[in-house]
Amino acid sequence: QKEVEQNSGPLSVPEGAIASLNCTYSDRGSQSFFWYRQYSGKSPELIMFIYSNGDKEDGRFTAQLNKASQYVSLLIRDSQPSDSATYLCAVCRRYSSASKIIFGSGTRLSIRP
Amino acid sequence: SQTIHQWPATLVQPVGSPLSLECTVEGTSNPNLYWYRQAAGRGLQLLFYSVGIGQISSEVPQNLSASRPQDRQFILSSKKLLLSDSGFYLCAWRDRGLGNTEAFFGQGTRLTVV
Repeated sequence: QKEVEQNSGPLSVPEGAIASLNCTYSDRGSQSFFWYRQYSGKSPELIMFIYSNGDKEDGRFTAQLNKASQYVSLLIRDSQPSDSATYLCAVCRRYSSASKIIFGSGTRLSIRP
Repeated sequence: SQTIHQWPATLVQPVGSPLSLECTVEGTSNPNLYWYRQAAGRGLQLLFYSVGIGQISSEVPQNLSASRPQDRQFILSSKKLLLSDSGFYLCAWRDRGLGNTEAFFGQGTRLTVV
């Protein structure tokens, strides 16, 4: 079982609609959770982070975390063509002297005009 | 503000040749440093991480090695490249002082082994 699992997509959403991206993780010791956006050929950039159960909103983005179900999601409201990218879910767990961030394989999102 | 530099941006190397990719961080001290590799159309695979000078942890057995000769310098190396070493290599740093902070990435090096 992969540590972080995402549906690879592609997920196609019409412009202006809500895009919903999902992620599950296997390690209950995971402490923090991140969503990164990656455009083709570029390095990932942080969109959202969440540490506590529930919802966290930032502009058009809402991250949702359910630690009991080991599930984290990202909602993008009013989707724009510029949101077309690969979205990477990442989880962080602290080990003895360091913390590691493990990434999922990413979901490709395509916003159609 | 903190910045991370990674070079070169692209690299084409023959099979069997050596490799050295360098990453430096500015504006922070004592960061956690990471090397990731991304194969075409795939997610990020953690290769190495470091919590301090000379301290390297390897995640996946492979043809690569890493070194941290200075606090803000992280180097990825290979003595003899394989075709399977092709990919997008990303260096990242995190602030060790705060437990759950995000990772910040360099611009990446696209390596093609021919």
